[in-house]
Amino acid sequence: DGGITQSPKYLFRKEGQNVTLSCEQNLNHDAMYWYRQDPGQGLRLIYYSQIVNDFQKGDIAEGYSVSREKKESFPLTVTSAQKNPTAFYLCASATGGGYEKLFFGSGTQLSVL
Amino acid sequence: RKEVEQDPGPFNVPEGATVAFNCTYSNSASQSFFWYRQDCRKEPKLLMSVYSSGNEDGRFTAQLNRASQYISLLIRDSKLSDSATYLCVVFHSSYKLIFGSGTRLLVRP
Repeated sequence: DGGITQSPKYLFRKEGQNVTLSCEQNLNHDAMYWYRQDPGQGLRLIYYSQIVNDFQKGDIAEGYSVSREKKESFPLTVTSAQKNPTAFYLCASATGGGYEKLFFGSGTQLSVL
Repeated sequence: RKEVEQDPGPFNVPEGATVAFNCTYSNSASQSFFWYRQDCRKEPKLLMSVYSSGNEDGRFTAQLNRASQYISLLIRDSKLSDSATYLCVVFHSSYKLIFGSGTRLLVRP
Protein backbone atom coordinates (compact mmCIF):
# COMPACT_ATOMS: atom_id res chain seq x y z
CA ASP A 1 0.00 0.00 0.00
CA GLY A 2 1.23 3.51 -0.82
CA GLY A 3 1.57 5.92 2.03
CA ILE A 4 3.68 8.14 4.20
CA THR A 5 5.35 6.77 7.30
CA GLN A 6 6.63 8.70 10.27
CA SER A 7 8.72 7.28 13.07
CA PRO A 8 8.94 7.07 15.95
CA LYS A 9 5.41 7.72 17.21
CA TYR A 10 6.75 9.07 20.52
CA LEU A 11 10.19 10.59 21.13
CA PHE A 12 11.84 12.06 24.20
CA ARG A 13 14.68 14.55 24.06
CA LYS A 14 17.18 15.39 26.77
CA GLU A 15 18.54 18.89 27.24
CA GLY A 16 21.19 19.74 24.66
CA GLN A 17 20.42 16.73 22.51
CA ASN A 18 19.69 16.66 18.80
CA VAL A 19 16.97 14.25 17.69
CA THR A 20 15.90 13.19 14.22
CA LEU A 21 12.36 12.43 13.11
CA SER A 22 11.96 10.12 10.15
CA CYS A 23 9.55 10.62 7.27
CA GLU A 24 9.34 8.22 4.31
CA GLN A 25 6.83 8.14 1.44
CA ASN A 26 6.31 5.67 -1.40
CA LEU A 27 3.74 7.77 -3.24
CA ASN A 28 6.31 9.12 -5.70
CA HIS A 29 5.45 12.64 -4.57
CA ASP A 30 7.81 15.49 -5.38
CA ALA A 31 6.83 17.80 -2.53
CA MET A 32 7.30 17.09 1.16
CA TYR A 33 6.54 19.21 4.20
CA TRP A 34 7.17 19.33 7.95
CA TYR A 35 4.64 20.94 10.27
CA ARG A 36 4.57 21.55 13.97
CA GLN A 37 1.32 21.56 15.95
CA ASP A 38 1.00 22.83 19.52
CA PRO A 39 -2.06 22.01 21.66
CA GLY A 40 -5.13 23.88 20.45
CA GLN A 41 -3.18 25.41 17.58
CA GLY A 42 -3.12 25.02 13.85
CA LEU A 43 -0.22 23.60 11.88
CA ARG A 44 2.84 25.78 11.37
CA LEU A 45 5.26 25.13 8.53
CA ILE A 46 8.84 24.32 9.51
CA TYR A 47 10.47 23.34 6.20
CA TYR A 48 9.33 22.21 2.79
CA SER A 49 10.94 20.65 -0.25
CA GLN A 50 9.68 20.70 -3.82
CA ILE A 51 12.43 18.57 -5.29
CA VAL A 52 15.36 16.37 -4.29
CA ASN A 53 18.39 18.25 -2.93
CA ASP A 54 16.40 21.44 -2.46
CA PHE A 55 14.39 22.75 0.48
CA GLN A 56 13.12 26.05 1.85
CA LYS A 57 12.51 27.43 5.30
CA GLY A 58 8.97 27.77 6.46
CA ASP A 59 7.63 30.12 9.08
CA ILE A 60 9.35 28.58 12.11
CA ALA A 61 12.60 27.03 10.82
CA GLU A 62 14.87 28.25 13.62
CA GLY A 63 16.27 25.35 15.63
CA TYR A 64 15.43 22.77 12.96
CA SER A 65 17.28 21.29 10.00
CA VAL A 66 16.28 18.98 7.15
CA SER A 67 17.77 17.12 4.21
CA ARG A 68 16.30 15.79 0.99
CA GLU A 69 18.87 13.41 -0.46
CA LYS A 70 16.25 11.01 -1.77
CA LYS A 71 12.79 11.63 -3.17
CA GLU A 72 11.27 9.23 -0.65
CA SER A 73 12.83 10.64 2.49
CA PHE A 74 12.68 13.99 4.29
CA PRO A 75 14.08 13.67 7.83
CA LEU A 76 13.76 16.50 10.34
CA THR A 77 16.39 17.17 13.00
CA VAL A 78 15.36 19.08 16.08
CA THR A 79 18.55 20.68 17.32
CA SER A 80 19.52 21.82 20.79
CA ALA A 81 18.94 25.38 19.55
CA GLN A 82 15.19 24.72 19.56
CA LYS A 83 14.36 25.73 23.12
CA ASN A 84 10.73 24.67 23.13
CA PRO A 85 10.58 21.48 21.08
CA THR A 86 7.62 19.80 22.79
CA ALA A 87 4.95 19.48 20.11
CA PHE A 88 3.22 17.14 17.67
CA TYR A 89 5.20 16.95 14.40
CA LEU A 90 3.53 16.08 11.14
CA CYS A 91 5.15 15.20 7.85
CA ALA A 92 3.20 15.46 4.62
CA SER A 93 3.71 14.93 0.93
CA ALA A 94 1.99 16.20 -2.19
CA THR A 95 2.22 15.64 -5.91
CA GLY A 96 3.34 19.22 -6.49
CA GLY A 97 2.56 21.18 -9.60
CA GLY A 98 0.24 23.72 -8.09
CA TYR A 99 -2.64 21.73 -6.62
CA GLU A 100 -1.37 20.82 -3.20
CA LYS A 101 -3.60 18.14 -1.74
CA LEU A 102 -1.61 16.81 1.21
CA PHE A 103 -1.14 13.29 2.46
CA PHE A 104 -0.06 13.17 6.09
CA GLY A 105 1.93 10.73 8.16
CA SER A 106 0.53 9.72 11.54
CA GLY A 107 2.74 12.15 13.44
CA THR A 108 5.47 12.11 16.09
CA GLN A 109 4.90 13.45 19.59
CA LEU A 110 8.16 14.93 20.85
CA SER A 111 8.59 15.68 24.53
CA VAL A 112 11.47 17.04 26.59
CA LEU A 113 12.75 15.05 29.55
CA ARG B 1 -3.71 39.69 10.83
CA LYS B 2 -3.42 35.92 10.33
CA GLU B 3 -3.34 34.68 6.75
CA VAL B 4 -6.14 32.21 7.46
CA GLU B 5 -8.61 32.80 10.28
CA GLN B 6 -11.19 30.50 11.79
CA ASP B 7 -13.53 30.72 14.76
CA PRO B 8 -11.99 28.24 17.24
CA GLY B 9 -15.38 27.26 18.67
CA PRO B 10 -16.26 24.89 20.14
CA PHE B 11 -19.53 24.55 18.34
CA ASN B 12 -21.71 22.34 20.55
CA VAL B 13 -24.69 21.00 18.62
CA PRO B 14 -27.22 18.16 19.06
CA GLU B 15 -27.30 15.19 16.75
CA GLY B 16 -29.23 15.96 13.60
CA ALA B 17 -28.43 19.67 13.65
CA THR B 18 -27.04 21.65 10.76
CA VAL B 19 -23.85 23.55 11.50
CA ALA B 20 -21.74 25.91 9.39
CA PHE B 21 -18.16 27.10 9.71
CA ASN B 22 -16.52 30.00 7.94
CA CYS B 23 -12.88 30.68 7.22
CA THR B 24 -11.39 33.92 5.89
CA TYR B 25 -8.10 34.28 4.04
CA SER B 26 -6.01 37.37 3.38
CA ASN B 27 -4.05 36.55 0.22
CA SER B 28 -6.14 37.25 -2.85
CA ALA B 29 -3.66 35.22 -4.96
CA SER B 30 -4.63 32.02 -3.15
CA GLN B 31 -5.31 29.27 -5.64
CA SER B 32 -6.69 26.21 -3.93
CA PHE B 33 -8.77 25.67 -0.84
CA PHE B 34 -9.46 22.64 1.31
CA TRP B 35 -11.21 21.48 4.44
CA TYR B 36 -9.40 18.89 6.54
CA ARG B 37 -10.72 17.01 9.52
CA GLN B 38 -8.47 16.28 12.51
CA ASP B 39 -9.28 14.00 15.41
CA CYS B 40 -7.47 14.50 18.70
CA ARG B 41 -3.75 13.69 18.38
CA LYS B 42 -4.21 12.24 14.89
CA GLU B 43 -3.08 13.45 11.50
CA PRO B 44 -5.38 15.72 9.51
CA LYS B 45 -7.34 14.00 6.75
CA LEU B 46 -8.72 15.65 3.66
CA LEU B 47 -12.45 16.15 3.93
CA MET B 48 -13.03 18.00 0.68
CA SER B 49 -11.60 20.44 -1.77
CA VAL B 50 -13.46 23.70 -2.26
CA TYR B 51 -14.41 25.00 -5.69
CA SER B 52 -15.82 28.33 -6.80
CA SER B 53 -18.96 26.61 -8.01
CA GLY B 54 -19.47 24.97 -4.64
CA ASN B 55 -19.33 21.26 -4.06
CA GLU B 56 -21.22 18.70 -2.07
CA ASP B 57 -20.26 15.33 -0.67
CA GLY B 58 -23.12 13.64 1.11
CA ARG B 59 -23.96 15.70 4.19
CA PHE B 60 -21.08 18.12 3.59
CA THR B 61 -21.20 21.21 1.39
CA ALA B 62 -18.29 23.57 0.77
CA GLN B 63 -18.46 27.02 -0.79
CA LEU B 64 -15.85 29.54 -1.91
CA ASN B 65 -16.45 33.27 -2.13
CA ARG B 66 -13.42 34.84 -3.83
CA ALA B 67 -14.81 38.37 -3.75
CA SER B 68 -15.14 38.31 0.04
CA GLN B 69 -12.21 35.92 0.51
CA TYR B 70 -13.88 33.28 2.60
CA ILE B 71 -14.76 29.63 2.40
CA SER B 72 -17.46 27.80 4.25
CA LEU B 73 -18.33 24.28 5.31
CA LEU B 74 -21.90 23.18 6.00
CA ILE B 75 -22.63 19.92 7.78
CA ARG B 76 -26.21 18.67 7.67
CA ASP B 77 -27.76 16.03 9.93
CA SER B 78 -24.78 16.04 12.31
CA LYS B 79 -23.60 12.68 13.65
CA LEU B 80 -21.72 11.96 16.86
CA SER B 81 -18.83 10.82 14.66
CA ASP B 82 -18.57 14.31 13.15
CA SER B 83 -17.06 15.55 16.42
CA ALA B 84 -13.57 16.72 15.48
CA THR B 85 -11.58 19.81 14.62
CA TYR B 86 -12.07 21.16 11.11
CA LEU B 87 -9.08 22.86 9.52
CA CYS B 88 -9.32 25.38 6.72
CA VAL B 89 -6.33 25.18 4.36
CA VAL B 90 -5.30 27.65 1.66
CA PHE B 91 -2.66 27.11 -1.01
CA HIS B 92 -1.06 29.96 -2.95
CA SER B 93 1.63 30.31 -5.54
CA SER B 94 4.58 30.30 -3.17
CA TYR B 95 4.04 26.56 -2.80
CA LYS B 96 3.00 26.85 0.80
CA LEU B 97 -0.15 25.63 2.40
CA ILE B 98 -1.46 27.84 5.16
CA PHE B 99 -3.55 26.22 7.86
CA GLY B 100 -6.15 27.88 9.99
CA SER B 101 -6.05 27.03 13.69
CA GLY B 102 -9.19 24.96 13.34
CA THR B 103 -12.80 24.99 14.47
CA ARG B 104 -13.78 22.43 17.06
CA LEU B 105 -17.13 20.70 16.68
CA LEU B 106 -18.82 18.72 19.45
CA VAL B 107 -21.95 16.80 18.53
CA ARG B 108 -23.95 15.68 21.57
CA PRO B 109 -26.54 12.87 21.76
